Amino acid sequence: QSALTQPASVSGSPGQSITISCTGTSSDVGGYNYVSWYQQHPGKAPKVIIYEVSNRPSGVSNRFSGSKSGNTASLTISGLQAEDEADYYCSSYTSSNTWVFGGGTKLTVL
Amino acid sequence: QVQLVESGGGVVQAGGSLRLSCAASGITFSSFGMHWVRQAPGKGLEWVAFIRYDGSNKFDTDSVKGRFTISRDNSKNTLYLQMNSLRAEDTAVYYCAKDRSMTIWGQGTLVTVSS
Repeated sequence: QSALTQPASVSGSPGQSITISCTGTSSDVGGYNYVSWYQQHPGKAPKVIIYEVSNRPSGVSNRFSGSKSGNTASLTISGLQAEDEADYYCSSYTSSNTWVFGGGTKLTVL
Repeated sequence: QVQLVESGGGVVQAGGSLRLSCAASGITFSSFGMHWVRQAPGKGLEWVAFIRYDGSNKFDTDSVKGRFTISRDNSKNTLYLQMNSLRAEDTAVYYCAKDRSMTIWGQGTLVTVSS
């Protein structure tokens, strides 16, 4: 049950777009469409922003989008805003009937 | 209004036990699988366990096998995590989350295991 691989940090200026990658294996990310992305602000509970690879819950800004290619999923945030500064985690269902998270990515809005 | 509220956290000595609860409201609790996820201080998220909507199947991560048990009472709209043989490395905020994709999370409850 190895964690999915995410960059430790990314940064961007307001208005720019950034992409966070999440790399797994064919036993998790590559094998299922149960990839989700979560946003977590300091001291707060995580909040889902993308589920099942590319679905956005109601109330989540359309600036957030998700995709997958092979064993790598990606989260793109367009039109960066100061409020987007947070930690982001990906997760995936696995062939072992378990779930696994990425190590998390700290997004800094410059 | 959909809400998950965890309770039962606290300070416990290594080797001790705690039972966490997660009370659900605003959803048809019996229709959804549920997770426990934890986050050690300053660390990332770690999946702990999942139980199917009817309790028929349970899955957990290797580090808690034989020590933690996930269960649910659909008549009380409540999810549980029985934690035995606690270790210092189990210290974390424990969250419950709704359905396969963890679309709703509670606010978390802190478990501190002192050695």
